[in-house]
Amino acid sequence: QQQVKQSPQSLIVQKGGISIINCAYENTAFDYFPWYQQFPGKGPALLIAIRPDVSEKKEGRFTISFNKSAKQFSLHIMDSQPGDSATYFCAGSDRGSTLGRLYFGRGTQLTVWP
Amino acid sequence: DARVTQTPRHKVTEMGQEVTMRCQPILGHNTVFWYRQTMMQGLELLAYFRNRAPLDDSGMPKDRFSAEMPDATLATLKIQPSEPRDSAVYFCASGVLEQYFGPGTRLTVT
Repeated sequence: QQQVKQSPQSLIVQKGGISIINCAYENTAFDYFPWYQQFPGKGPALLIAIRPDVSEKKEGRFTISFNKSAKQFSLHIMDSQPGDSATYFCAGSDRGSTLGRLYFGRGTQLTVWP
Repeated sequence: DARVTQTPRHKVTEMGQEVTMRCQPILGHNTVFWYRQTMMQGLELLAYFRNRAPLDDSGMPKDRFSAEMPDATLATLKIQPSEPRDSAVYFCASGVLEQYFGPGTRLTVT
């Protein structure tokens, strides 16, 4: 059973546009929601993360929006650049009971056209 | 700078052969994860360890896969015998709140 569902599977955006990736989770015990970015031939790397006590977190052009009641969260990439082309994974974790285990979504392959 | 290392980076082997992948976690990280990545299944957790003790290996096919941490600086993942369906990229990661991934081992079983 996929504990974190991610959409879309792939996304094509024009340079300068906004990229939006959505995730939904089932486990209400999740208390940590990171996003990982993976470039071809590399391992995933933490991009940005949020905890459920805030509704939004922004770091540069990257923003996480979090809706606890809907059990949904999303990544917005403003002014998307070709260098943002990568695969993005959302994840959730119940840090207390699973000692840091992350439940990953299936990933979104983002392509930003120049 | 501190990083997770994995060897080998690429491995091509024939069906039925034993494959051993190695991982050196970041010094001081006491939680280590093994993942498998395929186009079809995405990132799958195979097993993870804390303080060298296995916490969960329910993601691994038990009949052919085994994971160990002989010491705090080495984690191993073995497949015996290997099968073509094992072809994938295998990642090791260490850390808890933030997981640091290694570069992966790309395994091809023919």
